[in-house]
Amino acid sequence: DIVMTQSPDSLAVSLGERATINCKSSQTVLFSSNNRNYLAWYQQKPGQPPKLLISWASTRESGVPDRFSGSGSGTDFTLTISSLQAEDVAVYYCQQYYGAPPRTFGQGTKVEVK
Amino acid sequence: EVQLVESGGGLVQPGGSLRLSCAASGFTFSSYWMSWVRQAPGKGLEWVANIKQDGSEQHYVDSVKGRFTISRDNAKNSQFLQMKSLRADDTAVYYCARVMDGSRWPNHPFDYWGLGTLVTVSS
Repeated sequence: DIVMTQSPDSLAVSLGERATINCKSSQTVLFSSNNRNYLAWYQQKPGQPPKLLISWASTRESGVPDRFSGSGSGTDFTLTISSLQAEDVAVYYCQQYYGAPPRTFGQGTKVEVK
Repeated sequence: EVQLVESGGGLVQPGGSLRLSCAASGFTFSSYWMSWVRQAPGKGLEWVANIKQDGSEQHYVDSVKGRFTISRDNAKNSQFLQMKSLRADDTAVYYCARVMDGSRWPNHPFDYWGLGTLVTVSS
């Protein structure tokens, strides 16, 4: 199974500052035939289900603010919030959907306001 | 508008059984892989199972194999999770989730989620 490891487990960022979350997979999630990374990012606010933010490592979903961006390839990925807003306080998860199941998530990164 | 509504959660004793349901609306249910994802209290997300559009293929996380069965009824726009031999570590909110894209392969993220139903396994 592919193990997803996020870092840090939590971070506190001042409003308007940049937040960076890292995600590392135990094996590549890049499919060479189509050059796509099978990696998604989700945001989960307290008491709510997860919300898909980014698919294919860097494709922002419709309606997601452009301060959210995803980057990386192969086994190393990053979610960046360029200017943290109060409504961005949440737990963020990466998830791989490469190959056969199981689908696996990172352990989550809690983002708070400093 | 896509909606997924779970039901069937509750308190069950260890070793007991429970059947979860997910009612879907707002999209062509029979065109999508569907999944169950769970979240233990205060913990992260764990994928549990998925099922192909026509029900002909299912996959499970190792920890539930032989105990849980995923199924669907496309005529009723619903999917189900039959859970048996429940253990304390099955305690979680269980989310119904749609696999994006309607592809023949389940290699897509989860684009819609229900609000979840809480399963508590305790004596």
